[in-house]
Amino acid sequence: QQQVKQSPQSLIVQKGGISIINCAYENTAFDYFPWYQQFPGKGPALLIAIRPDVSEKKEGRFTISFNKSAKQFSLHIMDSQPGDSATYFCAASPIYNQGGKLIFGQGTELSVKP
Amino acid sequence: DGGITQSPKYLFRKEGQNVTLSCEQNLNHDAMYWYRQDPGQGLRLIYYSQIVNDFQKGDIAEGYSVSREKKESFPLTVTSAQKNPTAFYLCATSRDFYEQYFGPGTRLTVT
Repeated sequence: QQQVKQSPQSLIVQKGGISIINCAYENTAFDYFPWYQQFPGKGPALLIAIRPDVSEKKEGRFTISFNKSAKQFSLHIMDSQPGDSATYFCAASPIYNQGGKLIFGQGTELSVKP
Repeated sequence: DGGITQSPKYLFRKEGQNVTLSCEQNLNHDAMYWYRQDPGQGLRLIYYSQIVNDFQKGDIAEGYSVSREKKESFPLTVTSAQKNPTAFYLCATSRDFYEQYFGPGTRLTVT
């Protein structure tokens, strides 16, 4: 069964620090890797996404690093702010898309302390 | 959010009753999805639809049913056969079958 494993489950970072969340997948049959941010009681919002033909993608303070050989990808949040406190989910979309099906990680609850 | 509406925000039902959750979109996206979210867990796909009058089961379709009679609407019925229906239900849409945009969710409580 296709799986995406996410770590850590929770993370506490000081304001201005770097938050790092990691995800790993178990087979090579994925070709799209998005990250979502979710605030309590709200729907997830698409944050940033990457395809396996690039190793890094940066948008503002958010960077995805992708290691195809290790089957791992990670989200880095630079200069973390209290407003970044939320739950973050990684996901992966199977090759041949299967209608846009996404496999989600279990989520990381990030808390940024002032 | 934006062009995706889910109603109601909170829904309470007695065990044994069927309940229908609404999802409407004005983004003109072809694909629509239903996910279930439980505390401390990721999102799990219930059903998805790539086009009107067609839909496929996701990973946890048992106890749920859907219809897609209009492009804008993808209602989800939680039937009495669903053993643990209490959860946060999220609807999503996609234009290109990759980027998915989520609605605000409906929190269903069954007692």
